[in-house]
Amino acid sequence: DAGVIQSPRHEVTEMGQEVTLRCKPISGHDYLFWYRQTMMRGLELLIYFNNNVPIDDSGMPEDRFSAKMPNASFSTLKIQPSEPRDSAVYFCASSFSPAGREGAEQFFGPGTRLTVL
Amino acid sequence: GEDVEQSLFLSVREGDSSVINCTYTDSSSTYLYWYKQEPGAGLQLLTYIFSNMDMKQDQRLTVLLNKKDKHLSLRIADTQTGDSAIYFCAESPPSGAALIFGKGTTLSVSS
Repeated sequence: DAGVIQSPRHEVTEMGQEVTLRCKPISGHDYLFWYRQTMMRGLELLIYFNNNVPIDDSGMPEDRFSAKMPNASFSTLKIQPSEPRDSAVYFCASSFSPAGREGAEQFFGPGTRLTVL
Repeated sequence: GEDVEQSLFLSVREGDSSVINCTYTDSSSTYLYWYKQEPGAGLQLLTYIFSNMDMKQDQRLTVLLNKKDKHLSLRIADTQTGDSAIYFCAESPPSGAALIFGKGTTLSVSS
């Protein structure tokens, strides 16, 4: 397996533009997680899915952020409109099992570095 | 506390041992993990330990677990410059589905 795949690796956009980040989890993993990493706040969990269904989106900063998982092999994180404070590295991760069980270790993608000017 | 706590920085000389410490929050966590993040990369799973163990060794890595104090440590023997990275500990509580990560310890190895 190629691991978790994210695209694009880098995105530079202007304030107010829509940004869409993409993720392909590891095949067979039922859980998908979106994280944001900044120097100030560290690693923050934004949302996670189980079997394509959003389970906990309490980490999503505000309504400008939305995430979807139309099928087991694809998820998107969308920011509309984007703002400079959204600049961060966004990671997608997947796992076979939920926390507390064997197989709960998360495998991370390489991340998307987003810069909003 | 409610956060997984780690010291922010550790600096060692090449060839020395490094010990990175972590205090987790949930005594019922079944697995504890260590991840490594190199510059510009995602988090990579290094090793993990099941909660009924108190030690796990994997080549240069030794994980120690003290359940009573909810304390986890990662020892890297013969630290190399390639070990310079951010190290995250994470716990796996039975409630919810997500791992809970610490803020990471930046390990700097000087030659």
